[in-house]
Amino acid sequence: EIVMTQSPATLSVSPGERATLSCRASQSVSSNLAWYQQKPGQAPRLLIYGASTRATGIPARFSGSGSGTEFTLTISSLQSEDFAVYYCQQYNNWLPLTFGGGTKVEIK
Amino acid sequence: QVQLQESGPGLVKPSETLSLTCAVSGYSISSGYYWGWIRQPPGKGLEWIGSIYHSGSTYYNPSLKSRVTISVDTSKNQFSLKLSSVTAADTAVYYCARALRMDYDYWGQGTLVTVSS
Repeated sequence: EIVMTQSPATLSVSPGERATLSCRASQSVSSNLAWYQQKPGQAPRLLIYGASTRATGIPARFSGSGSGTEFTLTISSLQSEDFAVYYCQQYNNWLPLTFGGGTKVEIK
Repeated sequence: QVQLQESGPGLVKPSETLSLTCAVSGYSISSGYYWGWIRQPPGKGLEWIGSIYHSGSTYYNPSLKSRVTISVDTSKNQFSLKLSSVTAADTAVYYCARALRMDYDYWGQGTLVTVSS
């Protein structure tokens, strides 16, 4: 099983600032990496797939980078609606698909 | 607009079988994509349960494989989850979702299933 480790667990950021979230895989997942945003009481929303491709309707302030075992999600200028929990997920090895433990982005 | 909606009992007794259905609208399951189930225990992270291709091929989390069955009914445009021999550890919000590459682009709103006597 590929273990996905996200850091930090909590990120305190002021509105308008940049947020950088990390995700590390226990073995290479190539570029088969997705990022999701989840707000309280809601289902996760796909932000990024293929490590760096924004999903339909996702604002340009969200960007993803990395390949292999190290990945980054960057939110260039945090808006009020961006405070949420973010998960990475690998889909290079399907059995099983695995998610990271999440990073909570909170208002500083 | 693709929409998914989970339905099923919100309370299941220990040792019984959890059964959920996901109704899909705005897209025909038989046209393609993978259709999956993901769960989230209260206050915790996401766990993949399994997926089914429109043709019927299934992929299960090895940790749950002995207890999970996912099936598809293309005539009703829905797919289903059965999880047997449930315990309190299976209490979670259960989501159904659609995937092209196994990243999930459309999700249901989720349904809380509590395992308790």
